Amino acid sequence: KQEVTQIPAALSVPEGENLVLNCSFTDSAIYNLQWFRQDPGKGLTSLLLIQSSQREQTSGRLNASLDKSSGRSTLYIAASQPGDSATYLCAVMSGGSNYKLTFGKGTLLTVNP
Amino acid sequence: GAVVSQHPSWVICKSGTSVKIECRSLDFQATTMFWYRQFPKQSLMLMATSNEGSKATYEQGVEKDKFLINHASLTLSTLTVTSAHPEDSSFYICSASSRGRLVGYTFGSGTRLTVV
Repeated sequence: KQEVTQIPAALSVPEGENLVLNCSFTDSAIYNLQWFRQDPGKGLTSLLLIQSSQREQTSGRLNASLDKSSGRSTLYIAASQPGDSATYLCAVMSGGSNYKLTFGKGTLLTVNP
Repeated sequence: GAVVSQHPSWVICKSGTSVKIECRSLDFQATTMFWYRQFPKQSLMLMATSNEGSKATYEQGVEKDKFLINHASLTLSTLTVTSAHPEDSSFYICSASSRGRLVGYTFGSGTRLTVV
């Protein structure tokens, strides 16, 4: 059974700091890994999707890496802003029927002005 | 891009009543949709996989008679919480994809259900 762990559970940083969020998964047989952002009481916004054959994806100030063999992914946020404050969720899509997603519990990020 | 519309965004109902939540793919056809629930400060837990034109596949521990799922068209799936109780209060989110694992999933905005 796939399990996804995110560390740290919460992170508070001053504005402008670069930061790294970590995600690990137990079964390396994945199709892809996706990072999401969730604001309080809201749905999920997809940030980056990394296919199993890829090692990283970049979008603006965000960079996500994937090391499938070791079961790890990192989300790097450069020059953090107060608007980046949210919960960041990591999810892996495993094989089998219907391509299910397994989520971590998320990292609650607070960027202080 | 792909958009998934979910409503209502929040609902309060009395214990014992039923509540229906709709999930629509607005600009693409989704043969498969997923329903999740999320408790405060917890991860999203998959409840069931909704397949157009066939019965939903429920995850272990999810009562199929309590959480009725209907996927009657390629753009609409509904989740009905029957005989709701306070412990059913949660955040319910649906997701869909036009091309499965190739492009990842798009999520609805979620429904906050409170049963009083």
